[in-house]
Amino acid sequence: GENVEQHPSTLSVQEGDSAVIKCTYSDSASNYFPWYKQELGKRPQLIIDIRSNVGEKKDQRIAVTLNKTAKHFSLHITETQPEDSAVYFCAATSGSARQLTFGSGTQLTVLP
Amino acid sequence: NAGVTQTPKFQVLKTGQSMTLQCAQDMNHEYMSWYRQDPGMGLRLIHYSVGAGITDQGEVPNGYNVSRSTTEDFPLRLLSAAPSQTSVYFCASTGVDEQYFGPGTRLTVT
Repeated sequence: GENVEQHPSTLSVQEGDSAVIKCTYSDSASNYFPWYKQELGKRPQLIIDIRSNVGEKKDQRIAVTLNKTAKHFSLHITETQPEDSAVYFCAATSGSARQLTFGSGTQLTVLP
Repeated sequence: NAGVTQTPKFQVLKTGQSMTLQCAQDMNHEYMSWYRQDPGMGLRLIHYSVGAGITDQGEVPNGYNVSRSTTEDFPLRLLSAAPSQTSVYFCASTGVDEQYFGPGTRLTVT
């Protein structure tokens, strides 16, 4: 089955700086890659996603890039703000029926 | 439109007890799933369903049962609770692609 590895596990940045979180996946058939943000005590919420036929997608301060050849994808957050502090999870499809395999998460802390 | 709802929010069980975690969605989604979330391990798939009457195992199914008698409801049953099942449980419902998560159930087994 699919295996998703996520790095780093913790990341601290100064407010206004950029943050990058990277994930690799194992199943070359995976074709959908979402990113979720989870605030403390809350449910995961989708912030951006990308399909395998696209190399990059941007939504305001958030962007995701995908390299299918290398089987890795990354989340980029620019001009970070304290409210960006949360745990971020990457995921990839595994097999059919929209099953997602999640990375282990990155605790992002934005320091004021 | 409530989205995905879960009950209870918190539960404490003794080893060996059984219980059912409830999950319901009002988005008419066919695909629903249950995850458990443990520190440092992300979300792991327990069971999933692609429609009423159809369920299948995910990555960590042992100790859990599910059923799907209606499109709306997807309960998760713990047959004989063990301390290793202490976790936060999330139910999710999937539309075209996006998975919508419920608010979670924090379960402690003593």
